[in-house]
Amino acid sequence: IVLTQSPDTLSLSPGDRATLSCRASRRLSSNFLAWYQHRPGQAPRLLMYGSSNRASGVPDRFSGSGSGTDFTLTINGLAPEDFAVYFCHQYDNSLAFSFGQGTKLEI
Amino acid sequence: QVQLVQSGPEVKKPGSSVNVSCKSLGESFSTYTINWVRQAPGQRFEWMGRIMPGLGRTDYAQKFQGRVTMTADKSTRTAYLEIASLTSDDSAIFYCTRNSMGARSHWYFDLWGRGTLVSVSS
Repeated sequence: IVLTQSPDTLSLSPGDRATLSCRASRRLSSNFLAWYQHRPGQAPRLLMYGSSNRASGVPDRFSGSGSGTDFTLTINGLAPEDFAVYFCHQYDNSLAFSFGQGTKLEI
Repeated sequence: QVQLVQSGPEVKKPGSSVNVSCKSLGESFSTYTINWVRQAPGQRFEWMGRIMPGLGRTDYAQKFQGRVTMTADKSTRTAYLEIASLTSDDSAIFYCTRNSMGARSHWYFDLWGRGTLVSVSS
């Protein structure tokens, strides 16, 4: 399953809303899709799982939606620490997990 | 604090092998699956395979079968990734990450290590 994210780079300001897209090459059963945040030199951080479930400790300005082949991560009211790379991950195919190429959210 | 602590950067010659470790701190080791994921420069993350320390079972992505070995030591809560016959194409950051065992709905990665840089150069 190939995951394609858009856009590759998103330039916004603190306080804006960010909308990130992840499209799968085939339908994901039960929406087995997760989103992660990755800052350079740090461990990636789980944000969302099952498309729309927020991970523990993740602020509620982060939300996920979508099903089938089209998924969205929305960040309302961008905080300075939100500028990072975001990538999606499908865990539908248990022997071939795959990842999107990432969206860089920059100021 | 729960975390996955990985070994330090490695510089290797082509044709050699590398062993990367991942130590689990703070929680039970055997109730999780440890996955290994690599990210080559400018590339997306790529899943290499998984090991279930509690069961001693491994699954490898087709691309890496035969050249990669994943092991785990439950007594030290440490997982290992060995890659043989290194080439310059293997230069990447290797991450360990975990998911809960059981239903596929829990197979997202809730904890990651910070990555280990492996550079392969003559």
